[in-house]
Amino acid sequence: EDQVTQSPEALRLQEGESSSLNCSYTVSGLRGLFWYRQDPGKGPEFLFTLYSAGEEKEKERLKATLTKKESFLHITAPKPEDSATYLCAVLSSGTYKYIFGTGTRLKVLA
Amino acid sequence: NAGVTQTPKFQVLKTGQSMTLQCAQDMNHEYMSWYRQDPGMGLRLIHYSVGAGITDQGEVPNGYNVSRSTTEDFPLRLLSAAPSQTSVYFCASSSLEGRGGSRFYNEQFFGPGTRLTVL
Repeated sequence: EDQVTQSPEALRLQEGESSSLNCSYTVSGLRGLFWYRQDPGKGPEFLFTLYSAGEEKEKERLKATLTKKESFLHITAPKPEDSATYLCAVLSSGTYKYIFGTGTRLKVLA
Repeated sequence: NAGVTQTPKFQVLKTGQSMTLQCAQDMNHEYMSWYRQDPGMGLRLIHYSVGAGITDQGEVPNGYNVSRSTTEDFPLRLLSAAPSQTSVYFCASSSLEGRGGSRFYNEQFFGPGTRLTVL
């Protein structure tokens, strides 16, 4: 059974304190791994798609990496506006069913 | 482009009532889906569609019906509302088309959500 586990559940950082969020997954074959950001009261907003192990993508202070078992979302020198819930999802081979993790709630303090 | 729109934004129902949550997209996306989001549970897939006339069940389909008569619209019907269906509902769409001859599974675009309370 396809599974996605995100850790930690919640993370508090000081402004400028870099850290990483983890997304561990179990799928029969990976079609894609997706990272989203969700602000309170809003729908998720797309950040990155990773398709194969070794792939990396960057956007401003965020960098996503992928191995055969997990993905990391690295946040470098975060700012208070990076505070949000970060969601990870996978799509496995032979299915159109996206499986989401429960997310990591990030709070960046000024 | 309006992207993905959902109506209503808020709804309160009594147990046993029925209603339809509306979802529309103007990006000509083949794939559309419905999720519910509950505290501590993440997003769970209810139903999805890969094109007009084609729908399938997700992880938590019981108590919900869908149909897809056009590319643009994907309504979600609650047949007989129950308190367990109190949740925030999100509709999403994505393109299944490939790029440069290859087939990529692209990101989903989400609507703003409908907050449903069943009393």
